[in-house]
Amino acid sequence: GDKVKQSPSALSLQEGTNSALRCNFSIAATTVQWFLQNPRGSLINLFYLVPGTKENGRLKSAFDSKESYSTLHIRDAQLEDSGTYFCAAEDGNAGAKLTFGGGTRLTVRP
Amino acid sequence: EAAVTQSPRSKVAVTGGKVTLSCHQTNNHDYMYWYRQDTGHGLRLIHYSYVADSTEKGDIPDGYKASRPSQENFSLILELASLSQTAVYFCASSTPDWVSSYEQYFGPGTRLTVL
Repeated sequence: GDKVKQSPSALSLQEGTNSALRCNFSIAATTVQWFLQNPRGSLINLFYLVPGTKENGRLKSAFDSKESYSTLHIRDAQLEDSGTYFCAAEDGNAGAKLTFGGGTRLTVRP
Repeated sequence: EAAVTQSPRSKVAVTGGKVTLSCHQTNNHDYMYWYRQDTGHGLRLIHYSYVADSTEKGDIPDGYKASRPSQENFSLILELASLSQTAVYFCASSTPDWVSSYEQYFGPGTRLTVL
């Protein structure tokens, strides 16, 4: 099965609303990165997490290594938040490599 | 923030031909990586390198070779390109430090089409 499973696979939000994306890990994740892939295809770093939480503007992310999951919360969604969000985990048993989830495609509607 | 560049940005290759994708980073990062992304999917690791003149196999290395001639440069080589290797290829770099160990920074990607 998938080592890093993201949910939901797709999401449509009204502008100004809130949502949460989730990643579940079946590997011994020690760190997590969240990326936004914009419509041009570029990967933008959002968060790098050890166990704990981080916040940046309207985005907040948490990583619980014991329960093997991470979340990304989007508050007051804006049109420019549209794109595909990826989480990626570093496996503590496999060195400095990332395993990616399948992504959540987010569409923000006016 | 790491600056990672890739060349070419897009390429059309013929089946059976040789393709070389190049990656250059300017932030003195030790580690470099090659990933591929198929349409509608996440990235998968092909090869990576911890130090110049040494490469390691990732999760999907078959059909690919890698070369790390210097700290700044990392190439991905397809000796005999196949249709199944049509994808977008991303290079990344990282370096362990006390603030954000191993945080990876990605290049803009190379779109490869094999016909």
